[in-house]
Amino acid sequence: GDSVTQMEGPVTLSEEAFLTINCTYTATGYPSLFWYVQYPGEGLQLLLKATKADDKGSNKGFEATYRKETTSFHLEKGSVQVSDSAVYFCALEDSWGKLQFGAGTQVVVTP
Amino acid sequence: DAGVTQSPTHLIKTRGQQVTLRCSPKSGHDTVSWYQQALGQGPQFIFQYYEEEERQRGNFPDRFSGHQFPNYSSELNVNALLLGDSALYLCASSLPGQEEDTQYFGPGTRLTVL
Repeated sequence: GDSVTQMEGPVTLSEEAFLTINCTYTATGYPSLFWYVQYPGEGLQLLLKATKADDKGSNKGFEATYRKETTSFHLEKGSVQVSDSAVYFCALEDSWGKLQFGAGTQVVVTP
Repeated sequence: DAGVTQSPTHLIKTRGQQVTLRCSPKSGHDTVSWYQQALGQGPQFIFQYYEEEERQRGNFPDRFSGHQFPNYSSELNVNALLLGDSALYLCASSLPGQEEDTQYFGPGTRLTVL
């Protein structure tokens, strides 16, 4: 079945550092790929998405490119802020609209 | 434009009891999905409702049931609660087949089973 694997956390960074969170997937067909972010005590917020190979999703300085050849959708940000501290989830959506999530990666940004 | 809303915010129940959680989708959305997020884990798909019918179901027992109303709002019911049902329950709404075919999540209901 479909699955998503993302790097374990916590990832601890200093402000203005470069952030990468690796995400790989296994799926039959051609799923859409997503990154969601969850702040403490809150629900999930959509960060960005890509619906087909080579698409790049971007939002708030975050970027991720749908790489079919490596089945990856790594999240990157060039300069993180303390406010980026959260848990980040990579997910794929099958043709029926079911989201399959990774386990999440906690990011801690220190001043 | 109101986003996805869920009620209640928090709930405490004891083993064996039954619980009902409620969700109102984002304006214009007709599809509602429910997810269970245990502490420290990613959300797990429970089921999805469209046109008042369950369209898809994840690997959850029959104790988990749902309903969708004509106004697209939805309920999640859990019977015979177990300690392991303690989790954050998330509702997501979407409008499949449209340009903005993305699931938007509500803030969740935190269920604690004692």
